[in-house]
Amino acid sequence: NAGVTQTPKFRVLKTGQSMTLLCAQDMNHEYMYWYRQDPGMGLRLIHYSVGEGTTAKGEVPDGYNVSRLKKQNFLLGLESAAPSQTSVYFCASRADSTYEQYFGPGTRLTVT
Amino acid sequence: ELKVEQNPLFLSMQEGKNYTIYCNYSTTSDRLYWYRQDPGKSLESLFVLLSNGAVKQEGRLMASLDTKARLSTLHITAAVHDLSATYFCAGPSNKLIFGTGTLLAVQP
Repeated sequence: NAGVTQTPKFRVLKTGQSMTLLCAQDMNHEYMYWYRQDPGMGLRLIHYSVGEGTTAKGEVPDGYNVSRLKKQNFLLGLESAAPSQTSVYFCASRADSTYEQYFGPGTRLTVT
Repeated sequence: ELKVEQNPLFLSMQEGKNYTIYCNYSTTSDRLYWYRQDPGKSLESLFVLLSNGAVKQEGRLMASLDTKARLSTLHITAAVHDLSATYFCAGPSNKLIFGTGTLLAVQP
């Protein structure tokens, strides 16, 4: 039982490049979330999904897109990376019976 | 929408001392969550408080919830260096709303 996994763990992008971060969970959870964490800012919600085929905007959605084609996967895309998107990205999931979230190990992204 | 505020933001304490981290939230909620994050690591669930008056303890940490006061506390008893980490509280809206975290540094 791997829980929540994220791919890749580290990435360096140049401004304007695109990439996709993959989050996978094997707990059959309905809800999945993407956060970014910056120093002194805590966790900020980017997008979330309440089930397969659904997505919704969080607190800071601009510059990101997401897709939830399969229940176990939640993808976060950056179409044209900017230095302001340098951050640590965390994925999380939860069952629909509780608000307790389980977090992945994080992806450290640097945009130069 | 739910707002969650923690204080203090930074706490430096000596080993063996006691202290409390406070978490206030803005709207009615019957549950509250505490997480721990070590430097460079992910978030780990510490406590899930599901009702008014709930109290949970794990080792030197004890968390409580007062839904009427919209307040949760995380009490540290006889701190040790291993407790040094950032602690987050979070409250549910249709998603978890996190406080900004309390960076705890326990000095020998």
